[in-house]
Amino acid sequence: GDSVTQMEGPVTLSEEAFLTINCTYTATGYPSLFWYVQYPGEGLQLLLKATKADDKGSNKGFEATYRKETTSFHLEKGSVQVSDSAVYFCALRSSGGSNYKLTFGKGTLLTVNP
Amino acid sequence: DVKVTQSSRYLVKRTGEKVFLECVQDMDHENMFWYRQDPGLGLRLIYFSYDVKMKEKGDIPEGYSVSREKKERFSLILESASTNQTSMYLCASSNKWQNTGELFFGEGSRLTVL
Repeated sequence: GDSVTQMEGPVTLSEEAFLTINCTYTATGYPSLFWYVQYPGEGLQLLLKATKADDKGSNKGFEATYRKETTSFHLEKGSVQVSDSAVYFCALRSSGGSNYKLTFGKGTLLTVNP
Repeated sequence: DVKVTQSSRYLVKRTGEKVFLECVQDMDHENMFWYRQDPGLGLRLIYFSYDVKMKEKGDIPEGYSVSREKKERFSLILESASTNQTSMYLCASSNKWQNTGELFFGEGSRLTVL
């Protein structure tokens, strides 16, 4: 079945540091890929998405590129801020079968210190 | 602004009680979902519904049931709550006609079973 593996946290960075959170997936066909963010005390919000190979999703300074050859969708940001402290989830939506549900990774807690 | 509203942010129940978690969305979405979020386990799908009165089991349906009598409302029911059902419960919805299929989440309901 479909699965998502993302790097375990927690990740602690200083403000303005470079961020990478790794995400790899297992799925048949051509899934859509997502990054969601969960700020403290809130539900999940869509951060960015990519629907086909080599697509780059971007939002709020975050980027992720859909790499089919390495089955990866790593999240990056060049300069993090304290306000980026949150839990980040990588997710995929299968291209076939039950393709209306998302499969999530376990989440990575990011803490950014001033 | 689109919205998924969960009726209770925090609940405390006793073992054996029947528990109802309510979710309402105002986006006219066909699909609705209940996920459970636990530290180190990420999000796990309990049940989803793709139409009124239609439902399918997710990955961890045991101990839960659902009801969807109206398009905008999706209820999660714990027939006899147990301590291992202490968790954060997240409701989500999506538009089945949208190609990317991203989910929109509520703020979550944190349930404690004593």
